[in-house]
Amino acid sequence: EVQLVESGGTLVQPGGSLRLSCAASGFTVSSNYMSWVRQAPGKGLEWVSVIYSDGSTYYADSVKGRFTISRDNSKNTLYLQMNTLRAEDTAVYYCARDRYYDYWGQGTLVTVSS
Amino acid sequence: QPVLTQSSSASASLGSSVKLTCTLSSDHSTYIIAWHQQQPGKAPRYLMKLEGSGSYNKGSGVPDRFSGSSSGADRYLTISNLQFEDEADYYCETWDSSTRWVFGGGTKLTVL
Repeated sequence: EVQLVESGGTLVQPGGSLRLSCAASGFTVSSNYMSWVRQAPGKGLEWVSVIYSDGSTYYADSVKGRFTISRDNSKNTLYLQMNTLRAEDTAVYYCARDRYYDYWGQGTLVTVSS
Repeated sequence: QPVLTQSSSASASLGSSVKLTCTLSSDHSTYIIAWHQQQPGKAPRYLMKLEGSGSYNKGSGVPDRFSGSSSGADRYLTISNLQFEDEADYYCETWDSSTRWVFGGGTKLTVL
């Protein structure tokens, strides 16, 4: 059974850093597209970043230069390193699999506030 | 870059059918989209991939009541025999080599 479990979300001050994790089971992370998608309170879904099976990475303009996506093949886990956090980064962060997001995690809440 | 347009809200009665629309920008009218359902307080759930031809592939466990169709730049999600658990936000999304993933604004479906 495919499962995605995010963790790492918490309250952080503006300018701070945080690393989110997405532990996968039932499939191999490195063989798939893996994305981070976020949802600000009361808002819609917004794509944040993707890592392809060949290791190439892409970012939304709103996070480029501040966020880094990566994966640990030995742990079958996806990560999102978030630096220089801003209030507008406050959101629930989801990891999702493949081109059509056929599986989603349950989400982890990141709150950026002083 | 593609733009996906969805009505902000829709409503229909219990047991009836509803057809939600996602419209692609004109230059991207052939694009494949996916539909996702987000029930209140829950994570999104993949419903189906939908091509411009109207061919669709549903996710595991998605009820037969959910179907897809297409006409030009419009992509439709039809829900038959509406149930209270179908009350949710429905998002369409697509992919483009320049902008990567793009989401529609979502449609909030109310079951009366």
